[in-house]
Amino acid sequence: DAKTTQPPSMDCAEGRAANLPCNHSTISGNEYVYWYRQIHSQGPQYIIHGLKNNETNEMASLIITEDRKSSTLILPHATLRDTAVYYCIVHQTGANNLFFGTGTRLTVIP
Amino acid sequence: DVKVTQSSRYLVKRTGEKVFLECVQDMDHENMFWYRQDPGLGLRLIYFSYDVKMKEKGDIPEGYSVSREKKERFSLILESASTNQTSMYLCASSFSWTSGMDETQYFGPGTRLLVL
Repeated sequence: DAKTTQPPSMDCAEGRAANLPCNHSTISGNEYVYWYRQIHSQGPQYIIHGLKNNETNEMASLIITEDRKSSTLILPHATLRDTAVYYCIVHQTGANNLFFGTGTRLTVIP
Repeated sequence: DVKVTQSSRYLVKRTGEKVFLECVQDMDHENMFWYRQDPGLGLRLIYFSYDVKMKEKGDIPEGYSVSREKKERFSLILESASTNQTSMYLCASSFSWTSGMDETQYFGPGTRLLVL
């Protein structure tokens, strides 16, 4: 699986959009971009994933650049409950392991 | 919604004890996984199973074994617990890529194991 690079930490004001970047410059054609988050002492929670098109669900939007070398997770209206570590993962179809890096610790500030 | 449950949230055991961690999923997923998570080391795959009675070693299988007798249940066994197995244990499940379904892995809440 390709390596990803994320900023170690970010702050966001409550009610504002949180934009979390991820670089994955060595991603290959059959690798998906996945985002998970982990709230302290809980299991990782799946957020969203995509291959090359932008995706949106009830939790977030995922914007993938045209060259697929980077992506941004957008939480449109951050709440205090969105405070967590966010992991960007690239995952090849059929591969078993998910490689979680160190992620971005997002703190939503009242 | 996918539901992955783990038998305990917190567990305290003594060195040398046999420990069973149970995981159950309700989505008819073929694949099930056991990871451990340690500070600074991220998640590491211990074992996974792609079908009943089938298992494959992950990156750190030493000191662990697994059992999958039913599709929905995957057990992790520490034959003789040691202090270096103190960790957060996470179970996950997914459809198999051969099924043509979405392969997203869904995680349980985790079991925090302390071995004294």
